[in-house]
Amino acid sequence: GENVGLHLPTLSVQEGDNSIINCAYSNSASDYFIWYKQESGKGPQFIIDIRSNMDKRQGQRVTVLLNKTVKHLSLQIAATQPGDSAVYFCAEISGGTSYGKLTFGQGTILTVHP
Amino acid sequence: NAGVTQTPKFRILKIGQSMTLQCTQDMNHNYMYWYRQDPGMGLKLIYYSVGAGITDKGEVPNGYNVSRSTTEDFPLRLELAAPSQTSVYFCASRLTDKAFFGQGTRLTVV
Repeated sequence: GENVGLHLPTLSVQEGDNSIINCAYSNSASDYFIWYKQESGKGPQFIIDIRSNMDKRQGQRVTVLLNKTVKHLSLQIAATQPGDSAVYFCAEISGGTSYGKLTFGQGTILTVHP
Repeated sequence: NAGVTQTPKFRILKIGQSMTLQCTQDMNHNYMYWYRQDPGMGLKLIYYSVGAGITDKGEVPNGYNVSRSTTEDFPLRLELAAPSQTSVYFCASRLTDKAFFGQGTRLTVV
């Protein structure tokens, strides 16, 4: 179901800490899972993605983990910096009958304190 | 490359008026999308297109229409504006897994 009317959850961390942002998904037929970062007043920006046949992918300071058994996706940010403060959204690209559809999860507000 | 360009950036509409939000991309991307984002909330998919001539409904299509006559353009039409359509609208396009977003159109219906 969808939490209509509820605002985004928040995560506060200290600069230099590691951050973990979680996301639950519902569509087992998704081909790709993606993390986006949205800064205030801007459109979302691609961070990292993972194919549905993988369980881990690493980028620069970021790691995405996919657990298909429990339909869970996480984004780990190492050595979090104040510039990482933003809203983070998970998204999925559907396969099957909704091929190509790109839908977003709820989002998490990350605040990094110096 | 200009990327994804949305116009206008801001617009105030009266209830019952109609307007078209323009979106164009110069990256030759097949897939294009329209989202709305209410304050403090996530992005809800309105319509999407997997190629010229093909469009499909997203999560919240009511009150909107789209067309995709060319690869570059994907306009979003509001026929009878309602206060519930006050939101920020984002257009996006992608070729593979990475989507690129426009800067958004802030629409207020009064």
